[in-house]
This record gives sequence, structure tokens and C-alpha cells, in this order.
Amino acid sequence: DTGVSQDPRHKITKRGQNVTFRCDPISEHNRLYWYRQTLGQGPEFLTYFQNEAQLEKSRLLSDRFSAERPKGSFSTLEIQRTEQGDSAMYLCASSSHGSGNTIYFGEGSWLTVV
Amino acid sequence: AQTVTQSQPEMSVQEAETVTLSCTYDTSESNYYLFWYKQPPSRQMILVIRQEAYKQQNATENRFSVNFQKAAKSFSLKISDSQLGDTAMYFCAFCLTSGTYKYIFGTGTRLKVLA
Repeated sequence: DTGVSQDPRHKITKRGQNVTFRCDPISEHNRLYWYRQTLGQGPEFLTYFQNEAQLEKSRLLSDRFSAERPKGSFSTLEIQRTEQGDSAMYLCASSSHGSGNTIYFGEGSWLTVV
Repeated sequence: AQTVTQSQPEMSVQEAETVTLSCTYDTSESNYYLFWYKQPPSRQMILVIRQEAYKQQNATENRFSVNFQKAAKSFSLKISDSQLGDTAMYFCAFCLTSGTYKYIFGTGTRLKVLA
């Protein structure tokens, strides 16, 4: 098992462009999370999937953000019409009941909006 | 709503000494998990230790141990025999055992181990 992987690791984009991040969770994990982290802060919850169902979405997530997990495996997080305030690290994590609800993080995807 | 508070933004400790990081949380639920995660300068979050709220015994993991005070809603992390590799951001986190499984994180404590 290779752990949680995220792609791309770094993305620089111009304001107004759309970006998409991909997350591949640990294979047997049915829960998948997206968090956002800015420098010097703790991770902020964005959204959570159990299998393919998106069960919770933070009020922090504007309508420019959308996440999918179409087959209950990998997930994508898309940000439309990016703004400078979207610059952050986007963290993906996964867990399962078998992992004791412990979540395991990927290395994150850095987004810089210029 | 659940909240997690870490009141120490930065701490330092001499190598081989012991340091304690503080965390308090607020919840009206009785069943939950608490965690400490470490985020080294390479940025990947790594689990350090976890505690189930129903267990009275404090969790230990090698040089890491917790002091879990459920009534006081306190969950501190003690690092013994600190090593240079312990230098990192440390985050306290809370998760319910049912319903939504989202984690709530504190703002973190930056720990520097000095040679």
C-alpha cells in the first residue's frame, strides 16, 4: 500500500482560471476528506465522502468549489474562477472503520494563485 | 459545535529534555477520539498518538504519552527525551465516533528542539 497520494503537488495558476486536484486514498479506505491549510494554521475541513456519497460540506466551501468521488475510489476537488484567497495547501486524507477512524493524510497540493 | 484550542503557538525544548504541549476541546458528546498529529517541515501530517474517550488509561507510544482529563476536556501531549527530529508543528484533533467523522483541528504548536 502506497498511502494517500495527491496530484499535482504544486500548482501555480492565474486568477480566474480553474484548477483540479486529484486524490487517491488508501485502497481499503471508504472515507475520504478534503482539508485546506494556510501557513501557520491548522487544517480546515472542506468536505467528506463515505464511499461515493458526499456526506458533509463546509460552509467555507463556496459554490466555486466542487468535489466528486464518482466510484468511491479516487476524488477530485475543482476550484473554478480561482481567487488569490484560494492560495493554500489542499490536503486529502482517508480512513475506514478498520483504521479505527484514524485518518491518514497525503502530502498535499500547494496552490498559488497569481 | 466542537472546538479545539491550542494555546501555545510556539515552544522550544533542549534535546533529551521533556516537553508538554497543551490542548483543550469543547464538546457536549461523550464518545469521541482525540489525536495528536505531527507536521514536519516536509509538510506531510503524521499520526503521533490517539486516545479513545471511553478509555480512562492514557495512551502511550514510545516517547510520546498523553494526559487525558475528560472532565476538564484537556488532552496534553508529553514528549520525553526530545530529539531533533521532533521539530515540527503539532496539531491536536477531535473526531466523534458516530455520525459525521470529520476531524476538527487546533491551530497548532510549533515545537523546536534545540541541540
